Amino acid sequence: GNSVTQMEGPVTLSEEAFLTINCTYTATGYPSLFWYVQYPGEGLQLLLKATKADDKGSNKGFEATYRKETTSFHLEKGSVQVSDSAVYFCARNSAGGTSYGKLTFGQGTILTVHP
Amino acid sequence: KAGVTQTPRYLIKTRGQQVTLSCSPISGHRSVSWYQQTPGQGLQFLFEYFSETQRNKGNFPGRFSGRQFSNSRSEMNVSTLELGDSALYLCASSWSQRLNTGELFFGEGSRLTVL
Repeated sequence: GNSVTQMEGPVTLSEEAFLTINCTYTATGYPSLFWYVQYPGEGLQLLLKATKADDKGSNKGFEATYRKETTSFHLEKGSVQVSDSAVYFCARNSAGGTSYGKLTFGQGTILTVHP
Repeated sequence: KAGVTQTPRYLIKTRGQQVTLSCSPISGHRSVSWYQQTPGQGLQFLFEYFSETQRNKGNFPGRFSGRQFSNSRSEMNVSTLELGDSALYLCASSWSQRLNTGELFFGEGSRLTVL
């Protein structure tokens, strides 16, 4: 079935450090891939997405490239800020056009950035 | 434009009781999905409604049910509550019918505690 695996956290970084959060997905069909972020006390919000192989999603300094050959969608940011502290979720839909609201999420990675 | 609104935000129930949670989607969004978020299981898809019809359902027992009204507002119900039902229940809306390239807009969630 469909699954998403994220690197385990928590991840603790100093401000301006480089961030990588690994994400791999099962190679079932050609899904769209997403990164969602959840700030404390809030719901999830879409950070970025990619809909086909080699697409790069980017937003707020974060980037992720859809790598079909390695079934990966790693999240990167060159210089993190304290305000980036949150939980990050990698997700995929069900390829084939029948997702109907269903995303499969990774387990989430807690990121804490210290000044 | 107003976001996804969930009520109540917090509630406490005892085992055996039932609970109803409400979700008002973003105006114009016709698809509403529900997710359960727990520390152990992460984010798990419950079901999705579009135009008052359930189009997709996750692997949850029949105690979990939902419905959608003609104005796209949705409710979910959990009967005969168990301790393991304690979770954050997230509602998400979308304009996209198939979520191939669309995104989900999440509410802040209803936090249910079962004692």
